[in-house]
Amino acid sequence: ELKVEQNPLFLSMQEGKNYTIYCNYSTTSDRLYWYRQDPGKSLESLFVLLSNGAVKQEGRLMASLDTKARLSTLHITAAVHDLSATYFCAVEIAGTYKYIFGTGTRLKVLA
Amino acid sequence: SQTIHQWPATLVQPVGSPLSLECTVEGTSNPNLYWYRQAAGRGLQLLFYSVGIGQISSEVPQNLSASRPQDRQFILSSKKLLLSDSGFYLCAGSDRVREKLFFGSGTQLSVL
Repeated sequence: ELKVEQNPLFLSMQEGKNYTIYCNYSTTSDRLYWYRQDPGKSLESLFVLLSNGAVKQEGRLMASLDTKARLSTLHITAAVHDLSATYFCAVEIAGTYKYIFGTGTRLKVLA
Repeated sequence: SQTIHQWPATLVQPVGSPLSLECTVEGTSNPNLYWYRQAAGRGLQLLFYSVGIGQISSEVPQNLSASRPQDRQFILSSKKLLLSDSGFYLCAGSDRVREKLFFGSGTQLSVL
C-alpha cells in the first residue's frame, strides 16, 4: 500500500528557531512537491523537486529530495509568524499520473 | 500561466440531493485533471483523475462520479448526497510536462 507520511503532524515553534519537516514515501518516484495551505484556503505551490539531490530555496524555506531514501525535507530557517500554515508534500507515482499527498504538518509559529 | 476556475466556493445541500461541481482550466491544453477531497483538518484524498476527454479513473469507491466532457472541463457529480460527502473539494490540473500540479480555489460542501 502506498504511503506518504509526514513528520511531525503538528509543530509549534518559537519565532527565530529552525526546524525540519520530513516526508517519507513508500513508492518509486522522482517527483516531489511541497504545498502550503492556509485555513479554509486552497493549496499554494512552494517547491517542485524533479530529481535526486534536488535542492530549492525560497526565503526561509528550503526543500530537498533524496529519491534513494525516498525522503524529502522542508527546512525552516529563523521562523516567523507568517509561516504558520499546514504544509503538505505530494508524490507522483512513477509511471502514472497520480499524485498522492502526505498527511500534512500543521505549523504554528509563536511570537 | 495555468489557472483553474472552480465554483461555487461554498455549498450547503440536504442529504439525498444531487451535486454538480465544475472546474475549468485556462492556460494549458490537454491537461491531466484531478478531484481531491479534504475532510476537516485532514489530508487530501484523490477521488478521480482524467488524462483526456471521456477518460476517468476512480480511486475510491463512493457515492460520487466524474466526467470530462471537454478538454478543459471536469465535473464532479452525485445523484444523492450523503452526510459523509461533506468536505472541501479541490480541482487540480497538471500540464503535459507535469512540472506543476496547480489547484482551484476549492468548494466547501456541507451536507445536512
